[in-house]
Amino acid sequence: GENVEQHPSTLSVQEGDSAVIKCTYSDSASNYFPWYKQELGKRPQLIIDIRSNVGEKKDQRIAVTLNKTAKHFSLHITETQPEDSAVYFCAASNNNAGNMLTFGGGTRLMVKP
Amino acid sequence: EAQVTQNPRYLITVTGKKLTVTCSQNMNHEYMSWYRQDPGLGLRQIYYSMNVEATDKGDVPEGYKVSRKEKRNFPLILESPSPNQTSLYFCASSLSAISSYNEQFFGPGTRLTVL
Repeated sequence: GENVEQHPSTLSVQEGDSAVIKCTYSDSASNYFPWYKQELGKRPQLIIDIRSNVGEKKDQRIAVTLNKTAKHFSLHITETQPEDSAVYFCAASNNNAGNMLTFGGGTRLMVKP
Repeated sequence: EAQVTQNPRYLITVTGKKLTVTCSQNMNHEYMSWYRQDPGLGLRQIYYSMNVEATDKGDVPEGYKVSRKEKRNFPLILESPSPNQTSLYFCASSLSAISSYNEQFFGPGTRLTVL
């Protein structure tokens, strides 16, 4: 089955700096890669996703890149703000509906004011 | 309001006492799933359902049962809970089971402690 590894497990940045979280996956058939943000005590919520036919996707201060050859994908957050502090999960799916998700272990991002 | 609900939100129980965690969605979603969240392990899928009367095992199904008799409900049953099932549980749903990359919406979570 699919295996998704996520690094780092914790990340501390100064407000205004950029943050990068990296994931690798094992199943070359995976074709959908969402990122979820989980604030303390809350449910995970989708923040951005990318499909395997696209190399990069951007939404305001967040962007995701995908390297299918290397089986890597990354989340980039620019101009970080304290409200970006949360746990971020990457995931991979190999079915057309994108709902058979295998998650990474999570990254706790702390943005210091 | 479109949402996924879970009950109870918190539960402390003892080993061997059967329990059920309910999950309900009001969005007419086909696909529903249960995950457990443990530190450093992310979210691991327990069971999923593609539609009514269609359920299947995820990555960590041992010790759990589910049913899908109605489209909106997907209860998680622990017949004989053990301490290693102490975890944070999330139910999730998405519109389609088979087509076109659709977002999973998560419930608020149920924190279960088994003593």
